Amino acid sequence: GAVVSQHPSWVICKSGTSVKIECRSLDFQATTMFWYRQFPKQSLMLMATSNEGSKATYEQGVEKDKFLINHASLTLSTLTVTSAHPEDSSFYICSARDLAGVETDTQYFGPGTRLTVL
Amino acid sequence: LAKTTQPISMDSYEGQEVNITCSHNNIATNDYITWYQQFPSQGPRFIIQGYKTKVTNEVASLFIPADRKSSTLSLPRVSLSDTAVYYCLVGDAAGANNLFFGTGTRLTVIP
Repeated sequence: GAVVSQHPSWVICKSGTSVKIECRSLDFQATTMFWYRQFPKQSLMLMATSNEGSKATYEQGVEKDKFLINHASLTLSTLTVTSAHPEDSSFYICSARDLAGVETDTQYFGPGTRLTVL
Repeated sequence: LAKTTQPISMDSYEGQEVNITCSHNNIATNDYITWYQQFPSQGPRFIIQGYKTKVTNEVASLFIPADRKSSTLSLPRVSLSDTAVYYCLVGDAAGANNLFFGTGTRLTVIP
């Protein structure tokens, strides 16, 4: 089945530094990928839609200059948290849509990346 | 945007059948209903998807009444490993609307 990977699985960084998270679709091509953020005991919140070859679309309230998204190929999207602060500490999850899959327009999720900003 | 409503939490004993209902009163004609399972510190995992009537796979069944304003995820004979949060999402084939997660239902299976 469709597999999505994320790297790293966890990262700890100092306040003010930037962190890059990779999301890869391993066995299918994804023209569209999605980035979510999840705080403890809360639901997933969509941050942005990543489109291959074009600019990402950000949800209201998400700073595009802080959360840089690049979707350079059909299998890779990256999220860079710039000038990270402790309030950016969260669980970041990506998903990819497999339009050719058996189920209609199903999202397949990566395992998530735990970011801790000190 | 089809909003979903689910119970916040449910408890069940091992071996019992668990039914989790999701309300989606303003579901659109083209919308599908998809259920995901999420364990702590993991990404959601696809469980089942349906459009109408009943769908069954190796892990669950999905019941959708004729008006499609609700759906019920049925987990047969749950085990401790089924303790997780379950989310239902509705969205159309273009996928524009099935990106927004509701509160989900936290299922706790008791020995």
